[in-house]
Amino acid sequence: KQEVTQIPAALSVPEGENLVLNCSFTDSAIYNLQWFRQDPGKGLTSLLLIQSSQREQTSGRLNASLDKSSGRSTLYIAASQPGDSATYLCAVRTNDYKLSFGAGTTVTVRA
Amino acid sequence: GAVVSQHPSRVICKSGTSVKIECRSLDFQATTMFWYRQFPKQSLMLMATSNEGSKATYEQGVEKDKFLINHASLTLSTLTVTSAHPEDSSFYICSARIALQETQYFGPGTRLLVL
Repeated sequence: KQEVTQIPAALSVPEGENLVLNCSFTDSAIYNLQWFRQDPGKGLTSLLLIQSSQREQTSGRLNASLDKSSGRSTLYIAASQPGDSATYLCAVRTNDYKLSFGAGTTVTVRA
Repeated sequence: GAVVSQHPSRVICKSGTSVKIECRSLDFQATTMFWYRQFPKQSLMLMATSNEGSKATYEQGVEKDKFLINHASLTLSTLTVTSAHPEDSSFYICSARIALQETQYFGPGTRLLVL
């Protein structure tokens, strides 16, 4: 069974600092890995999707890397802003389009 | 982009009653819908996968008689929590997938509180 772990569980930084969020998974036989954002009491917004054959994906201030062999992904958020405050979830797809989620990292960016 | 809605967004009910949650794909046809459950500060746990016109496939440990799922059309799936108890209080999220596409589109979630 795929286990997805996110460290740290919570993170508080001053505005402008770069954020580094970590995700690890136990079964390296994945199809892809996806990073989501979840605001309190809300659904999920997809941020980046990395296919298993890719090493990284970038979108604006966000960059996600994937090391499938070691079962790790890292989400970098450059020059953080208070609007980046949210919970960030990592999810891996193994088969049948099922997603296995981590518990998330809750980020607070202080103005 | 594709939009998925859920109704209601919040519901409070008495223990022993049944609650129905609707998940709709507003501008696309969803061949597959997924239902997740999320406890505070925990990850989303997949409850079941439903394909239009067929019975839902439940994950291990999920009681199919308690969580009834119906996917009667390509735009609507419903989750009914039968004889709800306080331990069923949770955040329920659905997602929808278009055939042959990778992306799942998530609904905004439904907060259920059972008193």
